[in-house]
Amino acid sequence: AQSVTQPDIHITVSEGASLELRCNYSYGATPYLFWYVQSPGQGLQLLLKYFSGDTLVQGIKGFEAEFKRSQSSFNLRKPSVHWSDAAEYFCAVGGTSYDKVIFGPGTSLSVIP
Amino acid sequence: SQTIHQWPATLVQPVGSPLSLECTVEGTSNPNLYWYRQAAGRGLQLLFYSVGIGQISSEVPQNLSASRPQDRQFILSSKKLLLSDSGFYLCAWNPDRAFYEQYFGPGTRLTVT
Repeated sequence: AQSVTQPDIHITVSEGASLELRCNYSYGATPYLFWYVQSPGQGLQLLLKYFSGDTLVQGIKGFEAEFKRSQSSFNLRKPSVHWSDAAEYFCAVGGTSYDKVIFGPGTSLSVIP
Repeated sequence: SQTIHQWPATLVQPVGSPLSLECTVEGTSNPNLYWYRQAAGRGLQLLFYSVGIGQISSEVPQNLSASRPQDRQFILSSKKLLLSDSGFYLCAWNPDRAFYEQYFGPGTRLTVT
């Protein structure tokens, strides 16, 4: 069965520092992978996606993610975090029938000024 | 461009009262539609999804139901609310067969008192 884990429940970084949020998935075939961001009281916004091809994908707001098949990982990165990046981040994987997506539990990001 | 609407934005209802939340998508046709619930500090729980008018699949047995009376309208209902129904309800859509890519509405905050 598919599953997604995000090992870090909460991360705190200083503004201007680099960021890496971890995501590991379990899926037998090539997965469809996504990262979403959710600000408090808001819906989820799609940051980036991976379907195939180049394993390093660029997204909105300066984020990027790298697909590593050997490690079953799809980690999200940003070279310099802004205070406005404080939010909840969800990794997701698709690949079952009926177009369902499995979401990870989320990582809460706090940014120190 | 496509947009997704949810209303109401917030709702406070007493235990035992009925519920109706509405989700509408504009600018597309034949989307897959989804209802998720997000309890406080928790991840996303898929409640229902629909691949077409009148076609509803339930993921979690509970006192909620969903209907899709029109192509771009998805309704979440309950005859009698429970305290445990409190949460943040999110509607999402994806273009037909568009590789699991989902787009979310702004959400409805439901508090059952």
